[in-house]
Amino acid sequence: AQSVTQPDIHITVSEGASLELRCNYSYGATPYLFWYVQSPGQGLQLLLKYFSGDTLVQGIKGFEAEFKRSQSSFNLRKPSVHWSDAAEYFCAVGAHYGGSQGNLIFGKGTKLSVKP
Amino acid sequence: DAGVTQSPTHLIKTRGQQVTLRCSPKSGHDTVSWYQQALGQGPQFIFQYYEEEERQRGNFPDRFSGHQYPNYSSELNVNALLLGDSALYLCASSDRLAGGWTGELFFGEGSRLTVL
Repeated sequence: AQSVTQPDIHITVSEGASLELRCNYSYGATPYLFWYVQSPGQGLQLLLKYFSGDTLVQGIKGFEAEFKRSQSSFNLRKPSVHWSDAAEYFCAVGAHYGGSQGNLIFGKGTKLSVKP
Repeated sequence: DAGVTQSPTHLIKTRGQQVTLRCSPKSGHDTVSWYQQALGQGPQFIFQYYEEEERQRGNFPDRFSGHQYPNYSSELNVNALLLGDSALYLCASSDRLAGGWTGELFFGEGSRLTVL
């Protein structure tokens, strides 16, 4: 069955420190992979996505993610965290449906706290 | 350009009641998907509508139903509410006519339902 695992429920980093959020997926075909961010009281905002090609993907707000097929992973990274990055982060895999867009399967999320 | 708008933002119901949630997609989008996000969980796919028909459905009982109107707006109806239906309900829109798999889902801020 298709699934997404985010092993870390809650991570705390100091402002200015680097960040890596882990994501592992299980999907039979070539995966479409996404990272979304959700701030309190807000909807989900797309940070970046991977469909094919270069396995290092750049996104908004200085985030990047690397697709590693051998490890079934799509970890999110940022070299220097800002206090405004405190939020919940969701990894998702996109199902393909009849040649067009299917649903997204989300992980349970990782809550990021940033220490001053 | 208005994004995805949902109403109401918060509501409280009692067990056994029925609820209707509404969603207006982003301008230019023709496809609406609904997701349920329980506390501490990632969003779970309920169903997707385009051309006024339900096209895909997740693992949710028939108590969950929907509708899409000619202007692409959508409703989510839940009958015979249970305590476990308490969650944030997210609407997401996309442009199926753009073709292919874009993965560009735009989410609203959600409707928070509390069932007492």
